[in-house]
Amino acid sequence: EAGVTQFPSHSVIEKGQTVTLRCDPISGHDNLYWYRRVMGKEIKFLLHFVKESKQDESGMPNNRFLAERTGGTYSTLKVQPAELEDSGVYFCASSQGRPNTEAFFGQGTRLTVV
Amino acid sequence: AQKVTQAQTEISVVEKEDVTLDCVYETRDTTYYLFWYKQPPSGELVFLIRRNSFDEQNEISGRYSWNFQKSTSSFNFTITASQVVDSAVYFCALSEHNFNKFYFGSGTKLNVKP
Repeated sequence: EAGVTQFPSHSVIEKGQTVTLRCDPISGHDNLYWYRRVMGKEIKFLLHFVKESKQDESGMPNNRFLAERTGGTYSTLKVQPAELEDSGVYFCASSQGRPNTEAFFGQGTRLTVV
Repeated sequence: AQKVTQAQTEISVVEKEDVTLDCVYETRDTTYYLFWYKQPPSGELVFLIRRNSFDEQNEISGRYSWNFQKSTSSFNFTITASQVVDSAVYFCALSEHNFNKFYFGSGTKLNVKP
């Protein structure tokens, strides 16, 4: 069974440009999450989808970040326009329907804004 | 407020030594869940263990063991007879009852030298 897959693995963009990150969760997992780790700090929650609906987006930094989950399958996270402080590793995770179960993480997308 | 603290930023040991990774958490909830994840050089977060707040029994899985103490709000992780393959960043995380999002610590980088 395939795990959580994220594309691209690395992205280097200039300040002001747009970047779109993609996540393919484990098939059948209704819950999909985005997290971010900045410069060796803790991994911080960004948002949570249940199927195609945003359940909790309390961690989204500002309106430059837009997350979508088409048809309850894959998800995209767009940053527009990117700023220097957006640099970090963006993780996607998915889990089954029951709350408080373990989440399965992808390998992350390392975003560098220069 | 919810918070997870991993005070050890980086630990280096020689192969076959035992090593303990500390995790201290804060939460006002009486029901909560604690997790440990391993991040090898490949980048993905690998699930290791999930423990609920009502189960304080220590757990052992091969060379890995976990010590959960509610009195000190700690959930420490011990690797016995460490091996080079244990080298990774280890994250401790907390989730509250019926909420799926995780609060992560900043991680502990473990270097096991041959």
